[in-house]
Amino acid sequence: GENVEQHPSTLSVQEGDSAVIKCTYSDSASNYFPWYKQELGKGPQLIIDIRSNVGEKKDQRIAVTLNKTAKHFSLHITETQPEDSAVYFCAAYGSSNTGKLIFGQGTTLQVKP
Amino acid sequence: KAGVTQTPRYLIKTRGQQVTLSCSPISGHRSVSWYQQTPGQGLQFLFEYFSETQRNKGNFPGRFSGRQFSNSRSEMNVSTLELGDSALYLCASSLGGTSGYEQYFGPGTRLTVT
Repeated sequence: GENVEQHPSTLSVQEGDSAVIKCTYSDSASNYFPWYKQELGKGPQLIIDIRSNVGEKKDQRIAVTLNKTAKHFSLHITETQPEDSAVYFCAAYGSSNTGKLIFGQGTTLQVKP
Repeated sequence: KAGVTQTPRYLIKTRGQQVTLSCSPISGHRSVSWYQQTPGQGLQFLFEYFSETQRNKGNFPGRFSGRQFSNSRSEMNVSTLELGDSALYLCASSLGGTSGYEQYFGPGTRLTVT
C-alpha cells in the first residue's frame, strides 16, 4: 500500500553544520513531494516542495533532491541555525489520490548553539 | 492574505459525546483536506472536499464525517467519541487541480476525550 519512510527520527547538529533528512516512498504514481516544518503548538508549515519532473530545487539554505528511479527524496539544510529546530515531515502525493498527502513519521531536528 | 483558520483551538469532551470542528480555507482555495495527528500514528488523512463534494476518504470509521459549504468553509464531525479520538485535528487548504497541489495547514484543533 501507500507508505513513506523517513529517517532519521531524531537529528542533532551544531549550529552552522548541515542537516540531511531522507525519505522513501512506495507509490510509483506519486508526483509531488512537499516538506513541512512543525513547531510546538503550530500546524505544519510548507517550506519547500518538488514535482516529479524536477530533480533538484533550492531556496536559500534549503534544498530538496528527488531520485524517481530509487523513489528517494531528501531535504538538505545548510548553515543550520537554532531557529531551524523543529519537527520536519516529508510527504508524497499522487494526482490519482486527490487531496491526500502520505506523510513520513517525522524527524526532530535539534540545532545546538 | 489570511491563512487557514480553525475553530475552536482546544476542546475537551467526554466519551460518547459528539464534536464539530470548523475550518476556513485561504481565500480562493476550493479544496480542504482534514488530517488527524497523534504521537503514535503521525499524520493521517481523513477526507478531502472540493466544491462541496467529498472526493477522497481515508481509512477511518463512519463516526468521522465532514462537509463543505459553498464558501469553501468546511466542518468535520466526530460522533460517539472514544478515548482514542484524542488528537490534533488539522485542516489544509489548496487550490485543487493539477496546478494547486500545495496544501497550507491551519493551527489545528486539539481535542481531548476524557
